[in-house]
Amino acid sequence: DTEVTQTPKHLVMGMTNKKSLKCEQHMGHRAMYWYKQKAKKPPELMFVYSYEKLSINESVPSRFSPECPNSSLLNLHLHALQPEDSALYLCASSPRVAQETQYFGPGTRLLVL
Amino acid sequence: AQSVTQPDIHITVSEGASLELRCNYSYGATPYLFWYVQSPGQGLQLLLKYFSGDTLVQGIKGFEAEFKRSQSSFNLRKPSVHWSDAAEYFCAVGYGQNFVFGPGTRLSVLP
Repeated sequence: DTEVTQTPKHLVMGMTNKKSLKCEQHMGHRAMYWYKQKAKKPPELMFVYSYEKLSINESVPSRFSPECPNSSLLNLHLHALQPEDSALYLCASSPRVAQETQYFGPGTRLLVL
Repeated sequence: AQSVTQPDIHITVSEGASLELRCNYSYGATPYLFWYVQSPGQGLQLLLKYFSGDTLVQGIKGFEAEFKRSQSSFNLRKPSVHWSDAAEYFCAVGYGQNFVFGPGTRLSVLP
C-alpha cells in the first residue's frame, strides 16, 4: 500500500477562522512533508518531520503550525490566513529523510476569503 | 547555484506520437532523480526514479528515462502518447535532506 490520504479535499475559510488539514500514511514511513503548490507552479516545501520531530521549516509564517502526533499522522493547523495562502496543500511521506522517494497524497484545495 | 531545469514549459504532441521531456540538474554529485506526473487538481504520482545502476530506467504507464551523467540530464520518454497522458510533468532531485522540483512541463495531446 503506497497511499497517503489527506482530508478534507476542499476547504474554504475566512481570514479569522482556525482550521486544520490532516494527512495519514500507513507505510511505516518515518519522514513526512507539507508542500504548498500554487497554480502552474511546482510544489514548494514548507515543513519536514523526521521521526515525529520537526526537521526542516522553510521560513513558513507562524499562521501555519505543523504537528506530528505520531508516526502515521501529520496535521497542519491554520489560523489567520491571508487570501494569498489559497493553494493546493500536498502531504508526502518517505521511508526516511534522505533523498528517498516521496509518495504524495491527493492534496487539499484551500481557498481563503 | 544548484538547480533543476525543465526547458520546455509547454509541449503539444499528437496522440500516438513519441514524446521526450527534458530535465537537467546542476549539483556537485549525482543526486537521486525522479519524474512525477500531476493531473489537474490532483496529487503527484511517481512515474520512475533513478538512484544508481542501469542508466535506462523503466516506469509506469509505458514511460522510461535515461540518465546521462556527462550531460547532467534525466530525460523522460514515451514511444506512443495516449490522450490520458495530458498532464503536468515534474522532474525532481533528491540530495542530502533536500528534495527539489523543476518548474514543470505541461503536456497537451491532440486527438
